[in-house]
Amino acid sequence: AQKITQTQPGMFVQEKEAVTLDCTYDTSDQSYGLFWYKQPSSGEMIFLIYQGSYDEQNATEGRYSLNFQKARKSANLVISASQLGDSAMYFCAMREGIRSGGYQKVTFGTGTKLQVIP
Amino acid sequence: GAGVSQSPSNKVTEKGKDVELRCDPISGHTALYWYRQSLGQGLEFLIYFQGNSAPDKSGLPSDRFSAERTGGSVSTLTIQRTQQEDSAVYLCASSASGEQYFGPGTRLTVT
Repeated sequence: AQKITQTQPGMFVQEKEAVTLDCTYDTSDQSYGLFWYKQPSSGEMIFLIYQGSYDEQNATEGRYSLNFQKARKSANLVISASQLGDSAMYFCAMREGIRSGGYQKVTFGTGTKLQVIP
Repeated sequence: GAGVSQSPSNKVTEKGKDVELRCDPISGHTALYWYRQSLGQGLEFLIYFQGNSAPDKSGLPSDRFSAERTGGSVSTLTIQRTQQEDSAVYLCASSASGEQYFGPGTRLTVT
């Protein structure tokens, strides 16, 4: 089974609208972390937001928020008020093994290409 | 402070030659990861270092790939007898205990 599943290979959103990028995950760990990264056409990987499995509140960073539904094992990224500069690939990732104090495996999804339309 | 750096930024090599890719992580970051990204694809995990040891080498595609890390800092990814299918962007990331910080990548082209 895939550890991280991003079912939307591509998405379009109108400028100034909100958009949700889906991510589901699979782990047997009780303590894990979920991340979202943005990769513009320049190729750099930019960290956006982090959610810990024990965090009770959904993470927010400016226009980014993470809709964390633990029972459903989903960690969707919500971008509010989309801007043209948001056009990029978005990757969801999971870090496991946090409590073990040793190896912390990080797994990435296949990504969603978001295009913001003027 | 300085971020993760990688060198070279671009490398063109002939099939069959060996190449070395270098990653300089953020100072103090104990964890270091190598990934490969083919054009338009996601990140393919290659190897992970905790300090100088590599507890997970499961992503290395073949025995032509090897990596080492010295002094808990710089890491080198070596590809021997390169093949055309090795052409990709090789990304390095380091982390302390939270998110990964990525370098700009090395674009490898095997002709």
